[in-house]
Amino acid sequence: EAGVTQFPSHSVIEKGQTVTLRCDPISGHDNLYWYRRVMGKEIKFLLHFVKESKQDESGMPNNRFLAERTGGTYSTLKVQPAELEDSGVYFCASSQIGTPDTQYFGPGTRLTVL
Amino acid sequence: QKEVEQNSGPLSVPEGAIASLNCTYSDRGSQSFFWYRQYSGKSPELIMFIYSNGDKEDGRFTAQLNKASQYVSLLIRDSQPSDSATYLCAVASQSGGSYIPTFGRGTSLIVHP
Repeated sequence: EAGVTQFPSHSVIEKGQTVTLRCDPISGHDNLYWYRRVMGKEIKFLLHFVKESKQDESGMPNNRFLAERTGGTYSTLKVQPAELEDSGVYFCASSQIGTPDTQYFGPGTRLTVL
Repeated sequence: QKEVEQNSGPLSVPEGAIASLNCTYSDRGSQSFFWYRQYSGKSPELIMFIYSNGDKEDGRFTAQLNKASQYVSLLIRDSQPSDSATYLCAVASQSGGSYIPTFGRGTSLIVHP
């Protein structure tokens, strides 16, 4: 069974540019989560999808971040325009309905904003 | 603000010893407690979860939870060099259908031969 995949693995962009991160959850996992880890800090929750619906987006830092999950499969996280403080590792995780505790993490996307 | 505190380490133990990792949390309403292992440059991997006070054992790993004192610990018996990694403590409570963990910054464990 394939795990959670994320693309790209690394992205280097300039301040003001747009970047879109993609996450493919484990097949059949309706829960999808986005997290971010800024260097030296803890992993922080961004938002949670159940299928295509946003269940909780309380962790989204501001309106420069837009997450979508069309069709309840893969998800994208767009940052527009990117700022220096957006640099970090963005993790995606997925879990089955009924076992929300058991989240499987993807390898992460390392975003560097110059 | 919910907080999870861990000693950043590194915690260095010899091969074969018991490694003890500790974590404290601020939210008394927390319901679920997790330990993740993260190798450098890799994704966090769930290794243990515990819901009730007391001990939970899985192979060489034992998670211990004390809700009154608001701490959770992870013991690794017969530590191996392959256990060298960062161990993340996470604490969650259910809110409106979401089960969102709050993570600590992690403790770096080094097991030397």
